[in-house]
Amino acid sequence: AQTVTQSQPEMSVQEAETVTLSCTYDTSESDYYLFWYKQPPSRQMILVIRQEAYKQQNATENRFSVNFQKAAKSFSLKISDSQLGDAAMYFCAYRRVIGPLVFGKGTRLSVIA
Amino acid sequence: DARVTQTPRHKVTEMGQEVTMRCQPILGHNTVFWYRQTMMQGLELLAYFRNRAPLDDSGMPKDRFSAEMPDATLATLKIQPSEPRDSAVYFCASGLGRLNTEAFFGQGTRLTVV
Repeated sequence: AQTVTQSQPEMSVQEAETVTLSCTYDTSESDYYLFWYKQPPSRQMILVIRQEAYKQQNATENRFSVNFQKAAKSFSLKISDSQLGDAAMYFCAYRRVIGPLVFGKGTRLSVIA
Repeated sequence: DARVTQTPRHKVTEMGQEVTMRCQPILGHNTVFWYRQTMMQGLELLAYFRNRAPLDDSGMPKDRFSAEMPDATLATLKIQPSEPRDSAVYFCASGLGRLNTEAFFGQGTRLTVV
């Protein structure tokens, strides 16, 4: 079974600084998708960024980028120029080509003004 | 603005009572997921439907939980009888079940069983 591990239960960052959230996963598949979801206090799960395993190029979405290391099964999220609105729980998730998401336990990110 | 709609948003019930949570997936989506979120376990998959047929409900306690899709616009998750350990946030998500498509989440139902 696939597993996703987020080793940092909590992180904090100064406003305007950069922070990196870690994620590792375990799978025997060669094709799959990886995601980062953000969950603010409103509870809504919001997709931040997605990476296809067959793509070598790291995905970027504005201030959010990933470092995807397929051989190491590592998928970290970098948030640049952190803003107060970035404060939330962040979940790393894995998905086979077609199937349900498997989530890590999450990292709570605090942004300090 | 297409969205997944879950009702109720909050539910407080007494132990032993039946609880039904409803989900309206985004129109046209053929895949529906039910997840449970707790502090201890995080987000766990309870059930997964495609074209209204259950594909995986191995994460669901079968003795008290049941999930159905009476039609393409409604998914239900029922707990009977409810227990305090069922207290959690229950999320429904829907998707197209195709390559490179994401799942869209509802806002969840916060269930408290006292």
